[in-house]
Amino acid sequence: AQKITQTQPGMFVQEKEAVTLDCTYDTSDQSYGLFWYKQPSSGEMIFLIYQGSYDEQNATEGRYSLNFQKARKSANLVISASQLGDSAMYFCAMREGFNNDMRFGAGTRLTVKP
Amino acid sequence: DTAVSQTPKYLVTQMGNDKSIKCEQNLGHDTMYWYKQDSKKFLKIMFSYNNKELIINETVPNRFSPKSPDKAHLNLHINSLELGDSAVYFCASTQTGAEKAFFGQGTRLTVV
Repeated sequence: AQKITQTQPGMFVQEKEAVTLDCTYDTSDQSYGLFWYKQPSSGEMIFLIYQGSYDEQNATEGRYSLNFQKARKSANLVISASQLGDSAMYFCAMREGFNNDMRFGAGTRLTVKP
Repeated sequence: DTAVSQTPKYLVTQMGNDKSIKCEQNLGHDTMYWYKQDSKKFLKIMFSYNNKELIINETVPNRFSPKSPDKAHLNLHINSLELGDSAVYFCASTQTGAEKAFFGQGTRLTVV
């Protein structure tokens, strides 16, 4: 069964606007971590933000914030004030279990329009 | 200093050949992974090692064999390469409980 679901294959946003990329997950573990990565056209995987399952506050890193709704098992990424350089693939991932099993969603391709 | 380094970055080879991709991390992490990213960009976990022990071994053809000589290295050896093995292979590492997992720059394997 798919553990990480990203339902938006592609998203468009106007430059300077905010955008939310959706991610839902499935786990029976109490302790887990949620990650977002950016993959630009150059191909590298860039870490953006992390949320631990016990963290009560939503994680923020600059223009990135993670909207963590534990009961709904969602971990949406919010990018504020979009920039042209934000155009990329975005992957949600979950790490769970004693063995650090880390799996990814299918990704969302974000395009920022000028 | 590069945290997770993979070599080579590009690899073009003929069907039937055997090749290896090397990965090293200098972060002192206890867990390392190999992922395969296909043409649709899906990242599929192949293997993970924790303290040199194989932990995750997904449904991967046994032509793929990981080797971890020590905690800092996780190499991927592929026998009898097939066209369908063409993909980008990523190595990654993390530490139990840490807030980050780091990726290598990827190895683009093309089998012709």
